Amino acid sequence: EAAVTQSPRNKVAVTGGKVTLSCNQTNNHNNMYWYRQDTGHGLRLIHYSYGAGSTEKGDIPDGYKASRPSQENFSLILELATPSQTSVYFCASGDWDRYTEVFFGKGTRLTVV
Amino acid sequence: AQKVTQTQTSISVVEKTTVTMDCVYETRDSSYFLFWYKQTASGEIVFLIRQDSYKKENATVGHYSLNFQKPKSSIGLIITATQIEDSAVYFCAMREGGAGNTGKLIFGLGTTLQVQP
Repeated sequence: EAAVTQSPRNKVAVTGGKVTLSCNQTNNHNNMYWYRQDTGHGLRLIHYSYGAGSTEKGDIPDGYKASRPSQENFSLILELATPSQTSVYFCASGDWDRYTEVFFGKGTRLTVV
Repeated sequence: AQKVTQTQTSISVVEKTTVTMDCVYETRDSSYFLFWYKQTASGEIVFLIRQDSYKKENATVGHYSLNFQKPKSSIGLIITATQIEDSAVYFCAMREGGAGNTGKLIFGLGTTLQVQP
């Protein structure tokens, strides 16, 4: 099964500070995703990527940037963190060309104070 | 635009019975892929089962099966012989698959299943 590793698993950040959430996958998947999960909102797509060097806006990209420097790594960047970005963030990977399912990391709990 | 709707917020069943969770989807694409995921109490999100739109036969994996009704844009998840450990939140998801698709994987809001002894 695909391995998707997120770091850190927990993070407390200060309002206005910069936060970087990292994701690494070891199955050579082309597609990677960042979601946030909040009560009552399910999983909402922030950014996604087709492969190294590509990033695409999801449904709620405002306040977030993404970076895909390599096939394995996909980062989510909060340049100026706000309390409204307190949430649980999930990274996921899959490969549509190979018709694989999407596999999720264990999540990062971010609290912005 | 693609959309996934799960109308059941929560369901409670007795152990060893069968439960069905509903999901309807919207897409303008003729080719798409449907998935069900389970989120455990620890927060882990696990893939369960998928249905490709071009397949007429309902998918089955273990004690999970799907009721795919394409004309109704519906993909129900059926869990037979439920166990206490099936208690979790279940998410329905869709990805469009036609030429020019965005590659987005969109989720419903989830259905909480509680299995009672």
